[in-house]
Amino acid sequence: EAGVAQSPRYKIIEKRQSVAFWCNPISGHATLYWYQQILGQGPKLLIQFQNNGVVDDSQLPKDRFSAERLKGVDSTLKIQPAKLEDSAVYLCASSLVVGAGPGTQYFGPGTRLLVL
Amino acid sequence: DAKTTQPTSMDCAEGRAANLPCNHSTISGNEYVYWYRQIHSQGPQYIIHGLKNNETNEMASLIITEDRKSSTLILPHATLRDTAVYYCIVRVAGFGNEKLTFGTGTRLTIIP
Repeated sequence: EAGVAQSPRYKIIEKRQSVAFWCNPISGHATLYWYQQILGQGPKLLIQFQNNGVVDDSQLPKDRFSAERLKGVDSTLKIQPAKLEDSAVYLCASSLVVGAGPGTQYFGPGTRLLVL
Repeated sequence: DAKTTQPTSMDCAEGRAANLPCNHSTISGNEYVYWYRQIHSQGPQYIIHGLKNNETNEMASLIITEDRKSSTLILPHATLRDTAVYYCIVRVAGFGNEKLTFGTGTRLTIIP
């Protein structure tokens, strides 16, 4: 079974530039998550999709971050314009939740962003 | 979700059992205990989860105290590849409740 795919793996940009990250979840997983992980900290949820609808985006800085999941499969996360404090690893995860049982999240390798 | 408390770091000799504690004294009756780990430069990896019974899989064992206020993840025969940050997470399961709230975890170092 293929895992969660993310691209690019690394990105270096200057502040005020724009950047986009792409995620392809595990086939059949309806739920997709984007996390931000700053060096030395645990991942922090930015946004959660159920199919192509947003379930939770309470921690997404909406003035500069946006995300979409067209057709309920792939997703893109965009930052425009980037700030120095956006330097982090951006992780995508997906899960299959059946009924009321607990779902396990499977993470991609992440995209490491450096803003100069 | 209930908060969890873990030691910042631990060392374990290769081949020995690694026992990682987690305190979750405010856990509710419908909250599960999850363990994930993150090896350097990789995304987090699911290890195991449980509600109130002890659980075992090919990776580890999870021991949950009877009052459910704490748990221990056991890696029975630690190898160098088990060096990672281990996260203990407590959350309610079910649709709309899949959010994981990560703390800073325990940095486990396996010593040759």
